[in-house]
Amino acid sequence: GAVVSQHPSWVICKSGTSVKIECRSLDFQATTMFWYRQFPKQSLMLMATSNEGSKATYEQGVEKDKFLINHASLTLSTLTVTSAHPEDSSFYICSASAAERVKHNEQFFGPGTRLTVL
Amino acid sequence: EDQVTQSPEALRLQEGESSSLNCSYTVSGLRGLFWYRQDPGKGPEFLFTLYSAGEEKEKERLKATLTKKESFLHITAPKPEDSATYLCAVRTDTGRRALTFGSGTRLQVQP
Repeated sequence: GAVVSQHPSWVICKSGTSVKIECRSLDFQATTMFWYRQFPKQSLMLMATSNEGSKATYEQGVEKDKFLINHASLTLSTLTVTSAHPEDSSFYICSASAAERVKHNEQFFGPGTRLTVL
Repeated sequence: EDQVTQSPEALRLQEGESSSLNCSYTVSGLRGLFWYRQDPGKGPEFLFTLYSAGEEKEKERLKATLTKKESFLHITAPKPEDSATYLCAVRTDTGRRALTFGSGTRLQVQP
């Protein structure tokens, strides 16, 4: 149990286009989802926290108008990178926290999406 | 500001050569310390959660321990399939439910 999927697993796009990444909790309801970014040989850096039905909370330095997050249901959150540029190329990873497992602080990570902007 | 520091950055072991990875932390109220394994191009895979000093958890060749300032991930008689990056992360009392990650230790086990 506690499986999180991401789609697509990789995407290549041209500079200036927008890319949407989906994060789904497959067998549990995720009240909170987190979006992280990971550059090569670096650790995961939190970009934003999203709660179902409310606006996402962005970390300092992360542009909310560039990285649009929608958490419309308890099983789906989306991250849209708008007007992508080469410096946005990275590995984007989501994680989900289940309502019934809040007290255990458990987060389950998706497999990641590799974004390459040409 | 919460800080998580992992050492060494990289570690190369021979198969069967036991060792330990270190995660030291400076946080305002620890709510949990997490160990994850990450393979190249994949998301982190959950290994352990530790909540209080003195706690230990084991899974196959891995054993995680926690003190008030650091955590160790002991690898006993490692095999090549244990090669991965091991990430340490903390959750604190600040009300943030997100995790703060260390930079990881890249482990390579040679046959």
